[in-house]
Amino acid sequence: SQTIHQWPATLVQPVGSPLSLECTVEGTSNPNLYWYRQAAGRGLQLLFYSVGIGQISSEVPQNLSASRPQDRQFILSSKKLLLSDSGFYLCAWSLGGTLRGYTFGSGTRLTVV
Amino acid sequence: TQLLEQSPQFLSIQEGENLTVYCNSSSVFSSLQWYRQEPGEGPVLLVTVVTGGEVKKLKRLTFQFGDARKDSSLHITAAQTGDTGLYLCGSPSGSRLTFGEGTQLTVNP
Repeated sequence: SQTIHQWPATLVQPVGSPLSLECTVEGTSNPNLYWYRQAAGRGLQLLFYSVGIGQISSEVPQNLSASRPQDRQFILSSKKLLLSDSGFYLCAWSLGGTLRGYTFGSGTRLTVV
Repeated sequence: TQLLEQSPQFLSIQEGENLTVYCNSSSVFSSLQWYRQEPGEGPVLLVTVVTGGEVKKLKRLTFQFGDARKDSSLHITAAQTGDTGLYLCGSPSGSRLTFGEGTQLTVNP
């Protein structure tokens, strides 16, 4: 069966510090991978998605970047965090196609102080 | 990017009551997905609807896709406290899935 791992679960970082969030998927090959951010109790904003190794599409200009160094690994990074980067970050995977659902990780709660 | 409007934004009801939440767009959906999210967790897929007029049932949950595929509803019968959560609709477009802002449902005992 397929599983998705996302870590850490919570993170408190000072303003100006770097960020690295990692997401890995097991049990599938060549998945589409996604990073979303969610404000408290609200909808999900798509940040980045990738349909293959080294292929990154950015949805929103921001202080963040994403990389996909391996087929089932997706990393979200920042060189210098801002207060506005605080939020709930969710990684997801899908096999593509409009009929396939997305499977989400359990999220990372990031607080920038 | 297709805009999805969900209503109501918040809903608080007593256990045993029925409720309906809505997802609408000004343009046609290729398909529509409904998710439920519990606090501190990622959303979990409930159902995908594809055909205009389609009705799908998942125990006490009934999902309906509008004939014109511009709207969808989720009806819960005899709500339970375990139904509490954020209900999100999402519309696929190419390789992306765009979400509405969600309906926060609280079922009180």
